[in-house]
Amino acid sequence: GAVVSQHPSRVICKSGTSVKIECRSLDFQATTMFWYRQFPKQSLMLMATSNEGSKATYEQGVEKDKFLINHASLTLSTLTVTSAHPEDSSFYICSGSGTPNTGELFFGEGSRLTVL
Amino acid sequence: GIQVEQSPPDLILQEGANSTLRCNFSDSVNNLQWFHQNPWGQLINLFYIPSGTKQNGRLSATTVATERYSLLYISSSQTTDSGVYFCAVEGSYNTDKLIFGTGTRLQVFP
Repeated sequence: GAVVSQHPSRVICKSGTSVKIECRSLDFQATTMFWYRQFPKQSLMLMATSNEGSKATYEQGVEKDKFLINHASLTLSTLTVTSAHPEDSSFYICSGSGTPNTGELFFGEGSRLTVL
Repeated sequence: GIQVEQSPPDLILQEGANSTLRCNFSDSVNNLQWFHQNPWGQLINLFYIPSGTKQNGRLSATTVATERYSLLYISSSQTTDSGVYFCAVEGSYNTDKLIFGTGTRLQVFP
């Protein structure tokens, strides 16, 4: 299977600061990656689809100015939570499909964000 | 959009028992995957199974796409099987998006 790596795995920040999470595809090129968010004891909710070289596509209800996504290369997508607040505390996880694209998605280790 | 429901929501087993987890979806799908989320949050790919039956050790899965459900079988459960099991589907009409089900939380006791 394809290997997806996220960094950092945990981050604690003060309210009002911005936090960047990196998602890398280690053994494949990802033209498309997906960002999910998971609150405690809940399922994973798709936030946005990250497209290499173009703007991300956000799901309904997700603020694009709050969650900035950049997919500048075929192996790196970043999610920046801007002006984070305690309600943004969550588990963020990215995914991509391997090469060749069989449709199966592989997920990173996830990043746990805590905003104080 | 497509709805994905899993049952049961919670399952408690003694080590060695067998179990069946169910995933119902509301529309036709191109892809379906089963995952195990471990206590650290990582999603482990179990099966990529848009149709048919697959087996991997003590685990097996069956998807009946025409009837819009999938089953995950766990035999001879072990304490390391504990965690949350998710199915996720890509709808035929909203492609490239994997939508997660509600999950089944499994606890296996020695």
